Amino acid sequence: EPEVTQTPSHQVTQMGQEVILRCVPISNHLYFYWYRQILGQKVEFLVSFYNNEISEKSEIFDDQFSVERPDGSNFTLKIRSTKLEDSAMYFCASSRGSLSDEQYFGPGTRLTVT
Amino acid sequence: GNSVTQMEGPVTLSEEAFLTINCTYTATGYPSLFWYVQYPGEGLQLLLKATKADDKGSNKGFEATYRKETTSFHLEKGSVQVSDSAVYFCALPPNSGYALNFGKGTSLLVTP
Repeated sequence: EPEVTQTPSHQVTQMGQEVILRCVPISNHLYFYWYRQILGQKVEFLVSFYNNEISEKSEIFDDQFSVERPDGSNFTLKIRSTKLEDSAMYFCASSRGSLSDEQYFGPGTRLTVT
Repeated sequence: GNSVTQMEGPVTLSEEAFLTINCTYTATGYPSLFWYVQYPGEGLQLLLKATKADDKGSNKGFEATYRKETTSFHLEKGSVQVSDSAVYFCALPPNSGYALNFGKGTSLLVTP
């Protein structure tokens, strides 16, 4: 069964450093998403991506964040200058596209900012 | 905007006990409703969904009915197993767009 994969599973970085989280969505899906979950809190939407551009983003997704689909398979989330409060589990997801379609989630990348 | 509220956990049950995890929603119109499950060390997986009022979603012995009168989508299972131990999330789309709004999650621990 096709699945969404994410690398790395755990990333430790120092405050102020740039990090890139990587995701490989399911190949025939059209919509891609990033969510995050701060420990003990709810899963929060960050951004969605369709047709090579951002289709929607939350207020969390400020200028420190960017997304890219550099080739036909990868989907990346970059945090330019990490802050302590960016420490969270980051989930990538993809879907075929309609509102009732399932979003398939990756296993997540745990980002720890020290 | 659209949102869900689900019961706080953790919930601890003995094997074969009956499970209810409450979820209520606030929404414009009648959006699809979802239950996702996260097993230890894994990503979120869709457990079941309902796309319109009065629909019942079901999967792996779990059920949830989309009730517009009570704006609820409670998750139930008649007899839980140890393997059901996980975190369960209620979710729905926002007023517009495709992103999901999640509840805080309810941790379930089933003991033998």
